[in-house]
Amino acid sequence: GEDVEQSLFLSVREGDSSVINCTYTDSSSTYLYWYKQEPGAGLQLLTYIFSNMDMKQDQRLTVLLNKKDKHLSLRIADTQTGDSAIYFCAESITGGGNKLTFGTGTQLKVEL
Amino acid sequence: GAVVSQHPSWVICKSGTSVKIECRSLDFQATTMFWYRQFPKQSLMLMATSNEGSKATYEQGVEKDKFLINHASLTLSTLTVTSAHPEDSSFYICSARDGKRDNQPQHFGDGTRLSIL
Repeated sequence: GEDVEQSLFLSVREGDSSVINCTYTDSSSTYLYWYKQEPGAGLQLLTYIFSNMDMKQDQRLTVLLNKKDKHLSLRIADTQTGDSAIYFCAESITGGGNKLTFGTGTQLKVEL
Repeated sequence: GAVVSQHPSWVICKSGTSVKIECRSLDFQATTMFWYRQFPKQSLMLMATSNEGSKATYEQGVEKDKFLINHASLTLSTLTVTSAHPEDSSFYICSARDGKRDNQPQHFGDGTRLSIL
């Protein structure tokens, strides 16, 4: 079955690094995604990683994937107040018709 | 690139009204579009998947006669909430994907907040 879990809330100070974690249960994941949602808005695709990769870096964002433990993380370096939002991880699975299973979402609050 | 436009952004209407929400891919051809519903402080719940030129596939528990989906072109899908009632009030979000190119992610619209009085 599919189940994607995230911690509900994370608070960091501006300038620090943020690490948002995600665990999933389906071992047939093909791609794993991170989306950002600001209040009242849709989802913005931040980055995604193929399941045979361990790491992907894109400017301030670093994604780490531990396939053995089914653990995905998103690290945001030099976190800014504009990074405050809800972050969703999502997975697509082989043969799943390109559907996404979303995590529960992590609310990131960046304090001055 | 990969812009998805959703319209309207906010609708308030009386109970019993039917409401149509549009989802357009502006700079790519969306062979597949998805419709989600999101309740406050919750994750997204997939309602249906629509492929251009064919009938939508609805998730379990979603009434297809209540939520009519049309995907008549490669850039437009519509969701019509028929005879809407207060319990249909929610945030509806569409996404689109270019299925003609490999490994393309879903790109999301900005959502439609539907309030039924």
